[in-house]
Amino acid sequence: KAGVTQTPRYLIKTRGQQVTLSCSPISGHRSVSWYQQTPGQGLQFLFEYFSETQRNKGNFPGRFSGRQFSNSRSEMNVSTLELGDSALYLCASSLPSTGELFFGEGSRLTVL
Amino acid sequence: DQQVKQNSPSLSVQEGRISILNCDYTNSMFDYFLWYKKYPAEGPTFLISISSIKDKNEDGRFTVFLNKSAKHLSLHIVPSQPGDSAVYFCAASAATTSYGKLTFGQGTILTVHP
Repeated sequence: KAGVTQTPRYLIKTRGQQVTLSCSPISGHRSVSWYQQTPGQGLQFLFEYFSETQRNKGNFPGRFSGRQFSNSRSEMNVSTLELGDSALYLCASSLPSTGELFFGEGSRLTVL
Repeated sequence: DQQVKQNSPSLSVQEGRISILNCDYTNSMFDYFLWYKKYPAEGPTFLISISSIKDKNEDGRFTVFLNKSAKHLSLHIVPSQPGDSAVYFCAASAATTSYGKLTFGQGTILTVHP
């Protein structure tokens, strides 16, 4: 069974640009969550989607947005990039009635 | 306000001995707790979980203990192996609202020496 797939794995952007990250969940998983990992703040929850609806949102500015498609694939977008957005962005999927999140390998974003 | 805390940034253990990783939480709404293991440049890997209706859960070499009155949980690894060397995160959720929203601790770096 294929795991959670995130693309791209690595990317470099400059301040002010925008970026879109993609996540394909495990087959059959309809819940997708996004997390940001930085050395200073650790792993922080961004948002959660279930059946194309945002179910929860973390404490991030509006520059961070996401969406989920009917096939459960999800994308997150960060606009007007800042240096502090440099981080590992992790996507996780789960079955709706269980608490075990399965994480992808992440997308490493560097903002110059 | 850090709702989940892992007060030990690192732990060093000899192979074959027990590793005990600790975690404290402050939010009384948390009712589901998980431990994840993470290697550099990889996503976290789920290890074991426990619901607040239990005080212990075992899976092979891994046992998680939950003390609700103290708002404390711990992960025991017995026996420890060099391959267990990684960063361990505890996480919590208020499952009645959403399983997908986990609050993570800062992590503990476990090093198991041969």
